[in-house]
Amino acid sequence: DQQVKQNSPSLSVQEGRISILNCDYTNSMFDYFLWYKKYPAEGPTFLISISSIKDKNEDGRFTVFLNKSAKHLSLHIVPSQPGDSAVYFCAASANGGTSYGKLTFGQGTILTVHP
Amino acid sequence: DTGVSQDPRHKITKRGQNVTFRCDPISEHNRLYWYRQTLGQGPEFLTYFQNEAQLEKSRLLSDRFSAERPKGSFSTLEIQRTEQGDSAMYLCASSLARTRRNEQFFGPGTRLTVL
Repeated sequence: DQQVKQNSPSLSVQEGRISILNCDYTNSMFDYFLWYKKYPAEGPTFLISISSIKDKNEDGRFTVFLNKSAKHLSLHIVPSQPGDSAVYFCAASANGGTSYGKLTFGQGTILTVHP
Repeated sequence: DTGVSQDPRHKITKRGQNVTFRCDPISEHNRLYWYRQTLGQGPEFLTYFQNEAQLEKSRLLSDRFSAERPKGSFSTLEIQRTEQGDSAMYLCASSLARTRRNEQFFGPGTRLTVL
């Protein structure tokens, strides 16, 4: 069962506009959420995270929003730049017990930012 | 700052052969994780270590897979009697288990092709 889902396989955005990437989860035990960016032939790179006690976290051009009641999070990139073109993965973890540390990833969304 | 390194970067083997991959985590990180990623999917958790103790193994990790982390430093992942279904990118990640945050830092991965 897919506990973390990214339903949009791809997203195309014009440079300077906003990119919004979405992620849904089903496991109520998840309490920490992360976004990773991946370029071809490289491992995923950590981008931004959010704890379940917050509903928003901002870091420069990147903002993550968490809606716990809807089990939904989103990543906003403003303004989008061509260098942001990559695969973006949403990930979640459930802290506590022996599951502390394991990340469950979504399938990824390919973001293309056009100049 | 040397990040997570993995060796080899690519491995081509024939079905039935054994392969071993190595991961060197960030030096002060005490947690080490192995993930597997297939085309079009996000990374899937395989196993993780805190120091030298293997604390969790996924059901994906069949008896043909074994991982070790002697002395709590580098780790090896061995696959015995490889099958074509083992073809994937094998990713290693490390983190510091000091806070409830779980930002894992990934290596570049080892791409395995089983012919």
